[in-house]
Amino acid sequence: EPEVTQTPSHQVTQMGQEVILRCVPISNHLYFYWYRQILGQKVEFLVSFYNNEISEKSEIFDDQFSVERPDGSNFTLKIRSTKLEDSAMYFCASSLAARGDTQYFGPGTRLTVL
Amino acid sequence: RKEVEQDPGPFNVPEGATVAFNCTYSNSASQSFFWYRQDCRKEPKLLMSVYSSGNEDGRFTAQLNRASQYISLLIRDSKLSDSATYLCVVISATGANSKLTFGKGITLSVRP
Repeated sequence: EPEVTQTPSHQVTQMGQEVILRCVPISNHLYFYWYRQILGQKVEFLVSFYNNEISEKSEIFDDQFSVERPDGSNFTLKIRSTKLEDSAMYFCASSLAARGDTQYFGPGTRLTVL
Repeated sequence: RKEVEQDPGPFNVPEGATVAFNCTYSNSASQSFFWYRQDCRKEPKLLMSVYSSGNEDGRFTAQLNRASQYISLLIRDSKLSDSATYLCVVISATGANSKLTFGKGITLSVRP
């Protein structure tokens, strides 16, 4: 069964450093998403991406964040200058269509900012 | 009012018990509704979609009441493997995409 994959599974970084989290969505999916979950809290939407551009973003997704689809398979989330409060689990998701279609989640990257 | 609000937990039940979870949502324009399951330190996985007519999948029954903006999940004959956090999820489709709005989740522990 096709699945979303994410690398690395765990990333440890120093405050102020840049990190890039990588995702490979399901191959025929067209819509891509990033969510985050701070430990003990709910899953929060960050950004959605379609046709090589951002469709929607949340208040969390400020200028420190960017997304890119550098080739036909990868979808990346970059945090330019990490802060302690960026420590969280970051989930990538993809869906075939929009408007209510099932979103399939990757296993997540645990980001720890020291 | 929170966008998606779930019953506080946790729930601790014996095997074989029936347990019900409730969820309310604030945006009347919400279009799609789901229950996801999340195991500890894992990704959310779709359990079932929720339809206005109500739907059943084995031991799981989901109901939607649009007038009251209320969603429920009923689990019959609980198994040890049902132990997880159950997330109420709502989509209010905007533009070309649909962001998922999650409730905080309710943790179920099924004991032998």
